[in-house]
Amino acid sequence: GAGVSQSPRYKVAKRGQDVALRCDPISGHVSLFWYQQALGQGPEFLTYFQNEAQLDKSGLPSDRFFAERPEGSVSTLKIQRTQQEDSAVYLCASSLRVGQGANTEAFFGQGTRLTVV
Amino acid sequence: KQEVTQIPAALSVPEGENLVLNCSFTDSAIYNLQWFRQDPGKGLTSLLLIQSSQREQTSGRLNASLDKSSGRSTLYIAASQPGDSATYLCAVSTPKAGNNRKLIWGLGTSLAVNP
Repeated sequence: GAGVSQSPRYKVAKRGQDVALRCDPISGHVSLFWYQQALGQGPEFLTYFQNEAQLDKSGLPSDRFFAERPEGSVSTLKIQRTQQEDSAVYLCASSLRVGQGANTEAFFGQGTRLTVV
Repeated sequence: KQEVTQIPAALSVPEGENLVLNCSFTDSAIYNLQWFRQDPGKGLTSLLLIQSSQREQTSGRLNASLDKSSGRSTLYIAASQPGDSATYLCAVSTPKAGNNRKLIWGLGTSLAVNP
């Protein structure tokens, strides 16, 4: 597609419910990032994929958070047994490559606003 | 540890003014710096990307400069318009073991341009 697409745009979950958030990166982009943005804060890094390999998951706040990108394109962020503190906007970004030089610009999706009640 | 700070936190100006938004970072070892715009309830739109070897980038009424040695970047917005009202975030891409190039973010500057 033309840009990074995330679904759903909004999700309301009851506390304890499992949720799955989807990210469709720009076609051909190698790198994919997930960020969490709380209200009034900057994004916080969650995890990073290079193709299908999850190279860094140091930002995942607990073992209730799990992310995958099995075929190196679409990614899913899963949150098990949601808690109120999980309420945030979850942003997905992709870039053609990482590091220095051209084609390292990160493009973001619209985000999924998760509200846990 | 890389930290990014943005000043001011909020700015309100009349339409037509030229603006300066500031971003500073503590570790000059960056790959690039990116400025984003975020509208309420929406995702992030990339405005400008400056590579570490560059001094500035321009796009329309926007100009971003980078002084890597002093750890500073400035976003200039010329002839501001009400449609420029949004939160502006800067983020740096930083080297890290494991080939991760995650972005480190400031908290943003909330801009209101009044007609």
